[in-house]
Amino acid sequence: EDKVVQSPLSLVVHEGDTVTLNCSYEVTNFRSLLWYKQEKKAPTFLFMLTSSGIEKKSGRLSSILDKKELFSILNITATQTGDSAIYLCAVEANTPLVFGKGTRLSVIA
Amino acid sequence: DTEVTQTPKHLVMGMTNKKSLKCEQHMGHRAMYWYKQKAKKPPELMFVYSYEKLSINESVPSRFSPECPNSSLLNLHLHALQPEDSALYLCASSQDPGAGVFVYNEQFFGPGTRLTVL
Repeated sequence: EDKVVQSPLSLVVHEGDTVTLNCSYEVTNFRSLLWYKQEKKAPTFLFMLTSSGIEKKSGRLSSILDKKELFSILNITATQTGDSAIYLCAVEANTPLVFGKGTRLSVIA
Repeated sequence: DTEVTQTPKHLVMGMTNKKSLKCEQHMGHRAMYWYKQKAKKPPELMFVYSYEKLSINESVPSRFSPECPNSSLLNLHLHALQPEDSALYLCASSQDPGAGVFVYNEQFFGPGTRLTVL
């Protein structure tokens, strides 16, 4: 059975801190790994990763994939209160998207 | 148009009612999905449509009946639901890159319908 595990499950940081969110996976026929940010409603797409070692960046967010060790990290630098959300990792494999349980990030001023 | 829209935003229904959720996208995506998300849990896949044909049904009870009338629309018909079916129902779509091989690309989610079954 395809499995995606995220850690930590929750995290509280102060504004300006840097955070690293982890996602490991065990799936059959890996295609890609995706990161989403979910606030009050639907998940919004952040990154899609298909190749190992190539960092994707968007502003203060970056992510990288290690297909040998089967994990990805999502980094957020200089965190802001607006970064408070649940960050979901999902993997495309035989099942279209298998989601992890998410990491709930709270950024306090 | 780069968004997925869903109606209604909120729905309250009794266990004997029949209602439908609607999803629409105009991005030319040929795969569409229904997810169910309970509070504090990740989305769970229910159905996948590929080129308007049902390709995946994740053992969803028959009281949920999906329909894809055309490539832009996806419906979820609801009948005789239970209170435990109360959840956020998310629709998503993704592009088919063609070349005869269906590869799931990044999925774009609609805002969801928050369903309450009394």
